[in-house]
Amino acid sequence: GAVVSQHPSWVICKSGTSVKIECRSLDFQATTMFWYRQFPKQSLMLMATSNEGSKATYEQGVEKDKFLINHASLTLSTLTVTSAHPEDSSFYICSASRTALQETQYFGPGTRLLVL
Amino acid sequence: GEDVEQSLFLSVREGDSSVINCTYTDSSSTYLYWYKQEPGAGLQLLTYIFSNMDMKQDQRLTVLLNKKDKHLSLRIADTQTGDSAIYFCAAEDGSSNTGKLIFGQGTTLQVKP
Repeated sequence: GAVVSQHPSWVICKSGTSVKIECRSLDFQATTMFWYRQFPKQSLMLMATSNEGSKATYEQGVEKDKFLINHASLTLSTLTVTSAHPEDSSFYICSASRTALQETQYFGPGTRLLVL
Repeated sequence: GEDVEQSLFLSVREGDSSVINCTYTDSSSTYLYWYKQEPGAGLQLLTYIFSNMDMKQDQRLTVLLNKKDKHLSLRIADTQTGDSAIYFCAAEDGSSNTGKLIFGQGTTLQVKP
């Protein structure tokens, strides 16, 4: 149990286009989902926390107009990178937990974004 | 805020024990976690420990927690080549009510045959 999927696993896009990444909890309902970004050989940096049906909470320094997060249902959250630029190229990983507090986060396999 | 530190690299021989160390700063972290990341993949939860415990054992994995020193370690017994990966220590941000985790930089474990 507690499987989280991401789609797509790989995406290459042109500079200026928008890219949507989906994160799904397959066998549980996720009250809270988290979006992380990971640069090569570096740790995960939390971008935002989203709760179903409410606006996402963004970490300091993360542009909410650039990284749009929607948590429309208890099993799906989406991250849209708007007007992507090469510096947005990264590995984006989502995680999901059943509740906000003291609950293990289960991670998706990640989406690698390359902006040309 | 919370800060989590790990050594960056560890190399062991197959069959030896591996010990990966982690320090954290927020004493109010309730849970501490160990995750494994293989190349190009997401994170796999290995184990976690509640802050009122000193030790937790799960098959080849042993987690030790020294709450006074804010030191966490992961011991892998009989390390195998398949254990080669990056291991992340993570602590709950005690000031957050959203279950936010703070990750260490990750320790690359290299297992030589």
